[in-house]
Amino acid sequence: EVQLVESGGGLVKPGGSLRLSCAASGFTFSDYTINWVRQAPGKGLEWVSSISSNSNYIYYADSVKGRFTISRDNTKNSLYLQMNSLRAEDTAVYYCVRGASTCWNWGQGTLVTVSS
Amino acid sequence: QSALTQPPSASGSPGQSVTIPCTGTSSDVGVSKFVSWYQHHPGQAPKLIIFEVSKRPSGVPDRFSGSKSGNTASLTVSGLQAEDEADYYCCSYTGSNNLIFGGGTKLTVL
Repeated sequence: EVQLVESGGGLVKPGGSLRLSCAASGFTFSDYTINWVRQAPGKGLEWVSSISSNSNYIYYADSVKGRFTISRDNTKNSLYLQMNSLRAEDTAVYYCVRGASTCWNWGQGTLVTVSS
Repeated sequence: QSALTQPPSASGSPGQSVTIPCTGTSSDVGVSKFVSWYQHHPGQAPKLIIFEVSKRPSGVPDRFSGSKSGNTASLTVSGLQAEDEADYYCCSYTGSNNLIFGGGTKLTVL
């Protein structure tokens, strides 16, 4: 069974930093593109970033470009999102999602709250 | 790129059918074969129910169907059941690993 388990969310002040992690199991992690997708309170889903299977291709939404960094460790079946210069509008549940053109599997998400 | 356009709400009685449209542009939905739909019960992980416009993953009931015409994709839920009450999101893959989602539609089973 495919499992994606996010962690690292919490309360952080504006301008602060946070690092999210996603532990994957049940599939060959190194074969797949993985994304971060977020959902702000009361809002829809928003794609944040993606990283190809071998980390050669990395993309970001304009809203996070220059502030967030996606990375992965295929030896640990893990995905990361380093979030710097956080803003109130980054408050959301962040999901780890398997797939490039289709979001095949989703984690349960981790809540990030940016507030003073 | 802007989010795809979905109605904020839809409803139907048990046993009825309901169709949820998802409107994009000739740069996303209109040209993409990778249009997908997700069911999201609050507090749970979103679930893929339609991929590549009209295909269903294993285990998804055939009550769920997808289609596309021009710049608008549609999800139809037939034979509505109480457990279908959820939020539904469309998504289009535009290349460069860029996924665009719709704003979501809250489906209420009356």
